[in-house]
Amino acid sequence: GAGVSQSPSNKVTEKGKDVELRCDPISGHTALYWYRQSLGQGLEFLIYFQGNSAPDKSGLPSDRFSAERTGGSVSTLTIQRTQQEDSAVYLCASSLQRSGHEQFFGPGTRLTVL
Amino acid sequence: AQKITQTQPGMFVQEKEAVTLDCTYDTSDPSYGLFWYKQPSSGEMIFLIYQGSYDQQNATEGRYSLNFQKARKSANLVISASQLGDSAMYFCAMREGRRTGANNLFFGTGTRLTVIP
Repeated sequence: GAGVSQSPSNKVTEKGKDVELRCDPISGHTALYWYRQSLGQGLEFLIYFQGNSAPDKSGLPSDRFSAERTGGSVSTLTIQRTQQEDSAVYLCASSLQRSGHEQFFGPGTRLTVL
Repeated sequence: AQKITQTQPGMFVQEKEAVTLDCTYDTSDPSYGLFWYKQPSSGEMIFLIYQGSYDQQNATEGRYSLNFQKARKSANLVISASQLGDSAMYFCAMREGRRTGANNLFFGTGTRLTVIP
């Protein structure tokens, strides 16, 4: 497909479980971002990957959150020992280059922690 | 301090009329970019318009224009000839240019626009 894809679209989990969220960026896009959108809120930056550089993890809310990007393409956001406050929509975006104007967003993964 | 402030939680506009959505920003970085995104009820984020801090003219994209007032640090979105399909959440966002490695966007809390037939 031409756009950013994310899976799963919805994830319901029990408190304390680990979850993995996947993002497939647009082919050729070197920059990849993860954001979190809580109900009725704007987007909160989590982490940013640019090529082979070390990721900018400054937005990760706790050490339970981690992300990796394999082969400069697909990224996985992992949340360990999920808490109810982790419930949100997790959005991935990619852009062509570091200074690219536009970030293209995926449809998001809605995470519900019971 | 909030980097992006959107003071209008909700706005209503009559179909075919123009509407202005407010956005103010806070940065000490001389190089920055301002963005507006639309988020319909389906949830996807749709890029609308971009304004660079050094751009001399206000950005325009079809029915969208950005009223950029640098001294006031405001970047209001103007939608002309509103259509029913414009009903959505609208987010203002900023990217700062100088911080090493930083290319993430800072988002406001959004404005929910409802177009009335």
